[in-house]
Amino acid sequence: DTGVSQDPRHKITKRGQNVTFRCDPISEHNRLYWYRQTLGQGPEFLTYFQNEAQLEKSRLLSDRFSAERPKGSFSTLEIQRTEQGDSAMYLCASILTGGIDTGELFFGEGSRLTVL
Amino acid sequence: QKEVEQNSGPLSVPEGAIASLNCTYSDRVSQSFFWYRQYSGKSPELIMSIYSNGDKEDGRFTAQLNKASQYVSLLIRDSQPSDSATYLCAVRGYSTLTFGKGTMLLVSP
Repeated sequence: DTGVSQDPRHKITKRGQNVTFRCDPISEHNRLYWYRQTLGQGPEFLTYFQNEAQLEKSRLLSDRFSAERPKGSFSTLEIQRTEQGDSAMYLCASILTGGIDTGELFFGEGSRLTVL
Repeated sequence: QKEVEQNSGPLSVPEGAIASLNCTYSDRVSQSFFWYRQYSGKSPELIMSIYSNGDKEDGRFTAQLNKASQYVSLLIRDSQPSDSATYLCAVRGYSTLTFGKGTMLLVSP
């Protein structure tokens, strides 16, 4: 499978625990995005990377959230001291920028977080 | 704060009818507009993009853009039950996509 893959697909945790999600983008894609989606809402932008550089973070992203893309390939999103309000689907998407830009983001299947 | 507004629906149409989905956006400098389809429990997938005023057709789908009115629409002709999904309007700023809440479409056989 050469699409965007995310792991784990589902995570149930207790309030106050830390969780980490991993995203492997399409291999030649240089830009990677993290979005969060709750029921009945559209995806909300969290942050994005151009290669290994984190270029933008949403105001939604509190200090408990951190993301990395150390070698410009896979990315991790860590949430520390989880709260019930963090329960959501965390979507990763990638795109190849430069050249013909269709603007199409390729999404992974998401990592669903449930905080008890 | 960029905003993208959509009627959440559900929009119910009979099979074979035309479904019309609408979207307005707040950022006048936006240049790229997209419609994504999201089936329940799945991730969004791109179905149409439009960059210029007017209509763009692709099979049963037609996207319409009016930048003066800051309005984007998606028409689905000959709607099929398999079209039942949530349709997300997305607007691109400098480097990020801002999504609306989505409109749920239900096509009844």
